[in-house]
Amino acid sequence: AQSVTQLDSHVSVSEGTPVLLRCNYSSSYSPSLFWYVQHPNKGLQLLLKYTSAATLVKGINGFEAEFKKSETSFHLTKPSAHMSDAAEYFCVVSEPPGSGNTGKLIFGQGTTLQVKP
Amino acid sequence: DTAVSQTPKYLVTQMGNDKSIKCEQNLGHDTMYWYKQDSKKFLKIMFSYNNKELIINETVPNRFSPKSPDKAHLNLHINSLELGDSAVYFCASSPRDIRNTEAFFGQGTRLTVV
Repeated sequence: AQSVTQLDSHVSVSEGTPVLLRCNYSSSYSPSLFWYVQHPNKGLQLLLKYTSAATLVKGINGFEAEFKKSETSFHLTKPSAHMSDAAEYFCVVSEPPGSGNTGKLIFGQGTTLQVKP
Repeated sequence: DTAVSQTPKYLVTQMGNDKSIKCEQNLGHDTMYWYKQDSKKFLKIMFSYNNKELIINETVPNRFSPKSPDKAHLNLHINSLELGDSAVYFCASSPRDIRNTEAFFGQGTRLTVV
């Protein structure tokens, strides 16, 4: 079975400093991994995805993540935080479709990113 | 144009009532989902439909009944609402194999049962 663990429930950084949001996954298959962001009272938006191509994945708004199979990790980083980055971030693994199945997304518990001025 | 739209955005209702949430997608996707986000912001799949056919039912109480009149719509009807049903419900859509693409989410419906 697939699962993801987000290692920090809350991360606080100052504006202009680097962001690191940690995610470990468990998967019996070659996984597809995603990071989604949820701004307050908004829906979910895809930041980036890993689907077995390049291990360093670049996403929107300057975010990137590196897939490390040896560490079963998919940490999200950004060199310089902006106030608008304050949001909830979800690491997600997809469970592949089986017979007659569509597959589904399995979400981590979420990490709240606070950005201080 | 909104890709995945849900109505209503907010829903406040009394225990025991029956209510529906509607979802429509204009992306041409074959697959639609309902996810529930609890008070701790944890998201869990409830249902998925592929081309109007129920594919995933994640041990959701029978009071929840999804209906897909066509592949662009997936509505969620809830009978005999309980306090524990209070949550944010997200509709989403994707192509059939979700591994190599993304799911597009609606804005969510915040359901409050009083």
